[in-house]
Amino acid sequence: AQTVTQSQPEMSVQEAETVTLSCTYDTSESDYYLFWYKQPPSRQMILVIRQEAYKQQNATENRFSVNFQKAAKSFSLKISDSQLGDAAMYFCAYRGGYGGATNKLIFGTGTLLAVQP
Amino acid sequence: DARVTQTPRHKVTEMGQEVTMRCQPILGHNTVFWYRQTMMQGLELLAYFRNRAPLDDSGMPKDRFSAEMPDATLATLKIQPSEPRDSAVYFCASGLTEYNEQFFGPGTRLTVL
Repeated sequence: AQTVTQSQPEMSVQEAETVTLSCTYDTSESDYYLFWYKQPPSRQMILVIRQEAYKQQNATENRFSVNFQKAAKSFSLKISDSQLGDAAMYFCAYRGGYGGATNKLIFGTGTLLAVQP
Repeated sequence: DARVTQTPRHKVTEMGQEVTMRCQPILGHNTVFWYRQTMMQGLELLAYFRNRAPLDDSGMPKDRFSAEMPDATLATLKIQPSEPRDSAVYFCASGLTEYNEQFFGPGTRLTVL
């Protein structure tokens, strides 16, 4: 079965600094997708970034980028120039690819990010 | 601005009562997912539908939970009878297909006393 592990329950970063959130996963599938979701206090789940496993290039969305290491099954999120609005719970998630056994999102336990002014 | 809507946003009820949560997926999305979020278990899938047909409800306690899609614009999750351990936030998400991005609703916070 697929699993997603986030080993950092809490992280803190100074405003304007850079922070990296860690995520590792386990799967036997060759085709899959990885995601980072942000959940602010409003509880709304917001997709931050996604990565297709078949793509070697790391995904980037403005200040958010990932370091995808397929062989190591690692998928970390880097937030550059941190802003107060980045404070939230961040979830790493896995989903199987087309034709795969897993169409549901499998979530990690989350990392609570605090941004200090 | 297309979005997934959920009602109610908050629900407080007493143990033994029936609870019905509703979700309106984004128009045109053929896949609907129900997730539950608790402190202990985190986010976990309860059930999902494709074209209104249930495909996977293995995460749902069958004795008290039921999920349906009466039509393409409405998904329901029902708990009967409710128990205090059902207290959680219940999210509905929809996707164009199950292989596309899932868009989450705002969630229903359920408290069972």
